[in-house]
Amino acid sequence: DAGVTQSPTHLIKTRGQQVTLRCSPKSGHDTVSWYQQALGQGPQFIFQYYEEEERQRGNFPDRFSGHQFPNYSSELNVNALLLGDSALYLCASSLGAGTGYMLTEQFFGPGTRLTVL
Amino acid sequence: GESVGLHLPTLSVQEGDNSIINCAYSNSASDYFIWYKQESGKGPQFIIDIRSNMDKRQGQRVTVLLNKTVKHLSLQIAATQPGDSAVYFCAEVWGNTPLVFGKGTRLSVIA
Repeated sequence: DAGVTQSPTHLIKTRGQQVTLRCSPKSGHDTVSWYQQALGQGPQFIFQYYEEEERQRGNFPDRFSGHQFPNYSSELNVNALLLGDSALYLCASSLGAGTGYMLTEQFFGPGTRLTVL
Repeated sequence: GESVGLHLPTLSVQEGDNSIINCAYSNSASDYFIWYKQESGKGPQFIIDIRSNMDKRQGQRVTVLLNKTVKHLSLQIAATQPGDSAVYFCAEVWGNTPLVFGKGTRLSVIA
């Protein structure tokens, strides 16, 4: 079992550009959550996808959008990048968001380090 | 590897000693708490959890204590090992809301 995988590992972009990050959940998991972790901070929840729909969203602007595919993998898109978007982006997978209980044990991937210049 | 916490509070302990990492959580309505360990270059890893109807829970070498009166959570690691060196985060949940992480503490084990 490969666990949660994310690509790419590192990415460098310039202000105003757009970026797409990818996540494959742990085998058997159907729910993907995305987090932003700034240096020296804890992860902050961006949004969660289940059944190809955004189920919950944190306090992030519309520049942050996502998608979940039928195979449960997910993408995070960020448009019009700002310097402040530089962070480690974490994907976490879990099972059963559709039960109405947001939190079952979440397994995190290693993250994608995004640097905006 | 990734450096996830350059400016975090740091706890340094001697190998074999016990470690206590503290966390003040924000919401008195939180009903579920989790401790995560994050090593350099990796995502957070679940260590132990506790629900608000408990004040203590033990795992293998780890114990979590919850004091709801003062909104305080602690993680005790017995016989700390070099492999325990990492950044530790507490996270809280209330109802169906997403995880809210604290700022984290870096644990440095001195061999």
